[in-house]
This record gives sequence, C-alpha cells and structure tokens, in this order.
Amino acid sequence: DTGVSQDPRHKITKRGQNVTFRCDPISEHNRLYWYRQTLGQGPEFLTYFQNEAQLEKSRLLSDRFSAERPKGSFSTLEIQRTEQGDSAMYLCASSLQVNQPQHFGDGTRLSIL
Amino acid sequence: AQTVTQSQPEMSVQEAETVTLSCTYDTSESDYYLFWYKQPPSRQMILVIRQEAYKQQNATENRFSVNFQKAAKSFSLKISDSQLGDAAMYFCAFYPRTGANSKLTFGKGITLSVRP
Repeated sequence: DTGVSQDPRHKITKRGQNVTFRCDPISEHNRLYWYRQTLGQGPEFLTYFQNEAQLEKSRLLSDRFSAERPKGSFSTLEIQRTEQGDSAMYLCASSLQVNQPQHFGDGTRLSIL
Repeated sequence: AQTVTQSQPEMSVQEAETVTLSCTYDTSESDYYLFWYKQPPSRQMILVIRQEAYKQQNATENRFSVNFQKAAKSFSLKISDSQLGDAAMYFCAFYPRTGANSKLTFGKGITLSVRP
C-alpha cells in the first residue's frame, strides 16, 4: 500500500484563475471522497465516488466546482474562477468499501492571492 | 443530519500522564460508526480508533481507548501514558452505517499539546 496520494501539495494562484487537483487513492479502493478543511476547523464533506460514479455532492460544492473519477481510478477536483473563500486544505480519502475506514492523503493547500 | 460537537478547543497533558478528549454527537440513525482521527501539524490525518455503535464493548488500541455512551451520545477518547508524539489535532467523526449520507461528519477538533 502506497497510501492516498495528492498532487500538488500546495497551490498558490490569483483570484479568478482555474485550478485542478489530483488524488490517487489506495489501489483497489472503490470509494473516493473529497473534503475541504479551513484553518482551525474539521474537514467538511464535498463529494464522493463509488468507482466512477459520483453519488453525492454537498451544497458546499457550487457550480464552480467539478469532480471526476474517470475509469474509477484517480480523481480530479477542479475549481473555476477561484475566489478568496476557496482558500483551504482540500483532502482526499479512499476506502475499500462503503463501511470501511477512510484513509486520507496529505491534502492540497490552496492559497488565493 | 448529524452533528458532532467537540467543545474543548485545546487541552494539555504532561508526558506519561493520561488525558481524556470529549465528544458528543446528535443523530437519528440507529446504526453507525464513530471515529477518532489524529492530524499532526502539516501531516496526514490518521485513524486512531473506531467504535461500532451496535457493540457495547468500548474499543481499545494500545494506549488509546474510548468511553462510548450510546444513550448519552457521548464518545470520549482516553490517551494513557501520553507521549510527545501524541501532540496533534484530534477530530471526532460520525459515519452512518446504512449507506445513505455515506460520509464522515467531523467535529471542529481539539488541539492536544504534550508537556515534556
């Protein structure tokens, strides 16, 4: 097991730019989750996938956000027209099955200038 | 919808002593999991311990144990023989077992410092 891998670790961008993050789950984990964590807070759920199907999206996920998991392997999270309020740590987690523990990646820290 | 409350923002413990971190939750679900996760500064979130709601026996993992009170909706974490490496943010989290709303709901976390 190589663990959940996220890239990049840190992204600095200007307001209004588009950004894309990548998450590689643990091999054979069919569930993949995205969370957002702001400073001093616990992670908040954004969306999750069962294989390639996106099964649920939080109200936090505005229409500027889109997530994909083509072929049920890695996932990407794209934020269009970034805003100051998007500054946060974006965490990816995966689990083998629905009721198995979630394993987290190191996260991608997004800073909006 | 579930809510998880961690009312203590910070706690401190002397090395080798015991500390208890509190967590309460609210849910209408009858079957669920509860977790404690540890997040060291600038490092990965790690699962510390898991409790299944239908099990009456409290979970233990080496120096970590929980006090699960289902009727009171309370789920505290006890760390025995605290070590410097235990310093981190600790998050309590809820996960419904029934598939719907299949996501973790976290508390705000508590920052634990360990004094040498």
